[in-house]
Amino acid sequence: EVHLLESGGGLVQPGGSLRLSCAASGFSFRSYAMSWVRQAPGKGLEWVASISTTAGVTYNADSVKGRFTISTDNSQSTLYLQMNSLRAEDSAVYYCAKGAVAGTSFDYFDYWGQGTLVTVSS
Amino acid sequence: AIRMTQSPSSLSASPGDRVTITCWASQGISSYLAWYQQQPGKAPKLLIYAGSTLRSGVPSRFSGSASGTDFTLTINYLQSEDFATYYCQQYYSNPWTFGQGTKVEIK
Repeated sequence: EVHLLESGGGLVQPGGSLRLSCAASGFSFRSYAMSWVRQAPGKGLEWVASISTTAGVTYNADSVKGRFTISTDNSQSTLYLQMNSLRAEDSAVYYCAKGAVAGTSFDYFDYWGQGTLVTVSS
Repeated sequence: AIRMTQSPSSLSASPGDRVTITCWASQGISSYLAWYQQQPGKAPKLLIYAGSTLRSGVPSRFSGSASGTDFTLTINYLQSEDFATYYCQQYYSNPWTFGQGTKVEIK
């Protein structure tokens, strides 16, 4: 059974940094693209970043480009999101999501974690 | 970026009703469209992918269809557990984009 468990969220001041983690289990982690999707309070879903775990290719939304870095530790089946220069508008629940089709980067998401809340406020 | 527009933003319906939610893509996305259901306080769940393919385990009262850049999610015989927010998402090109969501409420 696929499990995705996010951690690392919390309260951080504007301009600060935070690293989110997503521990994955129940599937061959290195075979699927992984992504982060966020949801601001009371708002819709916004894709943040994706990584092709096979090729290491990364994709980022313009809203986080240059500030957020997605990465993986395939040996630990863990996905990360390093968030720097945080802004109030980055406050959201951050979900990690698994790509549905092995070996492809452009994909829909068949499993989601429960999310971790990031609050950027002074 | 491809813009996804959902309609309506919200609707009220009764158990047993049939509801239809529409999603328009600002440019062609072939059938690279997924639908998700999100209950309050929960993570989204995949319902349909490739425009009309029902995910295994999803009740057959859910269906999806496509016509050009127009996509439709239909829920037949609405059940109490179907009251939720629904999102469409294109995965044709980067950046992946979602519709703004449609909240299905109890009338």
